[in-house]
Amino acid sequence: DGGITQSPKYLFRKEGQNVTLSCEQNLNHDAMYWYRQDPGQGLRLIYYSQIVNDFQKGDIAEGYSVSREKKESFPLTVTSAQKNPTAFYLCASTPGSAQGVNEQFFGPGTRLTVL
Amino acid sequence: AQKITQTQPGMFVQEKEAVTLDCTYDTSDPSYGLFWYKQPSSGEMIFLIYQGSYDQQNATEGRYSLNFQKARKSANLVISASQLGDSAMYFCAMREWNFNKFYFGSGTKLNVKP
Repeated sequence: DGGITQSPKYLFRKEGQNVTLSCEQNLNHDAMYWYRQDPGQGLRLIYYSQIVNDFQKGDIAEGYSVSREKKESFPLTVTSAQKNPTAFYLCASTPGSAQGVNEQFFGPGTRLTVL
Repeated sequence: AQKITQTQPGMFVQEKEAVTLDCTYDTSDPSYGLFWYKQPSSGEMIFLIYQGSYDQQNATEGRYSLNFQKARKSANLVISASQLGDSAMYFCAMREWNFNKFYFGSGTKLNVKP
């Protein structure tokens, strides 16, 4: 079955540590996105990538980094510079515009808690 | 300026009744798409319905319909015959095709009462 997988589902980190959240898709989608969601809030864009080896900052990129070495994978690193990283992180993807599909597809999310 | 505005943080509806969730948007891109997603307490994002900026007819998907008023820049979601399972957060989103970015509103928490 095609879809987006995120791992782990729950992640605990000590203050001052970097941590990497995994996002893999087998939908052959070109674009991938990372969002952060705080309790009771909407989604805020961290980073997005339209093609391999290229990515752009979103609205809240400070303290985060990404890479896009393969089409299927878009890992997000939460660095120690991120002041308040406890949140729910969602990865999403969309196909190229020529494929006639409009919506974003989402992974199940990772809940990160900083202890 | 906010790209997507949802002015109802929370709403209650009686089971089997219809409910309208409000959404207004702001864009200068003539080509855009509007979406509604449902997020249950599990956190997954479930796509409900899509409306393109050039679509003449309002979109419908089962019990969901999108009331698209382009001049007013509104894209309200109508859920008919509410069910207990409809209790969730609902997000309105917009895609600007020129930039391939998505913008999300702050969400509306819907509670369906038995």
